[in-house]
Amino acid sequence: DADVTQTPRNRITKTGKRIMLECSQTKGHDRMYWYRQDPGLGLRLIYYSFDVKDINKGEISDGYSVSRQAQAKFSLSLESAIPNQTALYFCATSESIMSSYNEQFFGPGTRLTVL
Amino acid sequence: EDQVTQSPEALRLQEGESSSLNCSYTVSGLRGLFWYRQDPGKGPEFLFTLYSAGEEKEKERLKATLTKKESFLHITAPKPEDSATYLCAVRPGRAGGTSYGKLTFGQGTILTVHP
Repeated sequence: DADVTQTPRNRITKTGKRIMLECSQTKGHDRMYWYRQDPGLGLRLIYYSFDVKDINKGEISDGYSVSRQAQAKFSLSLESAIPNQTALYFCATSESIMSSYNEQFFGPGTRLTVL
Repeated sequence: EDQVTQSPEALRLQEGESSSLNCSYTVSGLRGLFWYRQDPGKGPEFLFTLYSAGEEKEKERLKATLTKKESFLHITAPKPEDSATYLCAVRPGRAGGTSYGKLTFGQGTILTVHP
């Protein structure tokens, strides 16, 4: 089974709709992240969470919100979707900041299309 | 501000034709440079972490090296299955602040290896 899973894998929605993307991990990591990827722009950080009680904005948080329901679950919501939020969304996890091993492990991604 | 620039944007090689990808970076106190491989429609897959200038790591046909300003990913005798986008990311080492521990990604190099 995959260590980091994302649901749904593909989603088509309409402008103005609220949508939630979910991420679950079995790696036991404290830190979780949400990124979006657009052609030519690379991976950009939306939100990140150091632990269940800690949520931080990334570089492009406007129009998004998150919820860390448990150590293993981190959800991303688009309150009112707009077409320029069409992108590939990735969840990632990593060990605690005090660990020597800080590589991030990524989920398979969610392809979101907003019409 | 941390910055990562990868070159070239795209690279086409013949099978067996060795080459290198470049990752130039500016970061306040490097605490890790990361290389990832990403296949189309999938999440980035971790390859290497380098921590200090002069460090080298190898995995099959790939070898990553690090200087104080850049990293190279050398591909020796590539095969078509090495075709992917290769991403470089840096982690700053300064404590406190909003960017501590987060990764900054480059735009990636799209590698195509023809048989």
